Amino acid sequence: EIVLTQSPGTLSLSPGEGATLSCRASQSVSNSYLAWYQQKPGQAPRLLIYGASSRATGIPDRFSGSGSGTDFSLTISRLEPEDFAVYYCQQYGSSLITFGGGTKVEIK
Amino acid sequence: EVLLVESGGGLVQPGGSLRLSCAASGFTFSNYSMNWVRQAPGKGLEWVSYISPSSTSIYYADSVRGRFTISRDNAKKSLYLQMNSLRAEDTAVYYCSRGVPAAIGYFQHWGQGILVTVSS
Repeated sequence: EIVLTQSPGTLSLSPGEGATLSCRASQSVSNSYLAWYQQKPGQAPRLLIYGASSRATGIPDRFSGSGSGTDFSLTISRLEPEDFAVYYCQQYGSSLITFGGGTKVEIK
Repeated sequence: EVLLVESGGGLVQPGGSLRLSCAASGFTFSNYSMNWVRQAPGKGLEWVSYISPSSTSIYYADSVRGRFTISRDNAKKSLYLQMNSLRAEDTAVYYCSRGVPAAIGYFQHWGQGILVTVSS
């Protein structure tokens, strides 16, 4: 099983600031099959990024993903009020899909 | 518009059983892999199970293997999760999610979730 470790656990930032979230895998994620999701309280997760760097339909270009192998990141260039949420990474490169523990982006 | 609607959740005693259903619409159900993902109260996301479009490939998380069974009925555009020998740690919101055509992949569409509570 590939274990995904997200850091930091919580990020306290102000609107307009940039954010960089990290996701580290315990072994290489094949084909960079790594996705990112955003979840707000009481809502289902929303797909942001797949294939490590491809934006899903309708996702603003302030969201970008990068990385390969075991190190991946999600960058939000300028935080909008609606971006404060919990973010999860997920690997789908093996038959045992796993999620990271999440990073909460909160308003400072 | 893609719609996934879960049903069948509720309160069940430890050791009991429950069957979740997910009704799909807005896309060609038989072309897509499907998954169940759960989230315990105040916790993160946990993938539970995967089923390929024609049910030829099925995978489970270690935490549910041997107790849960995923299935689908393409004619009824429905996904199911039979949950047996339920434990307190199975308490969670269960989401039905659509994968990608004919392969393990990311989850582009999610249902609203259904709460399962295992308690005496």
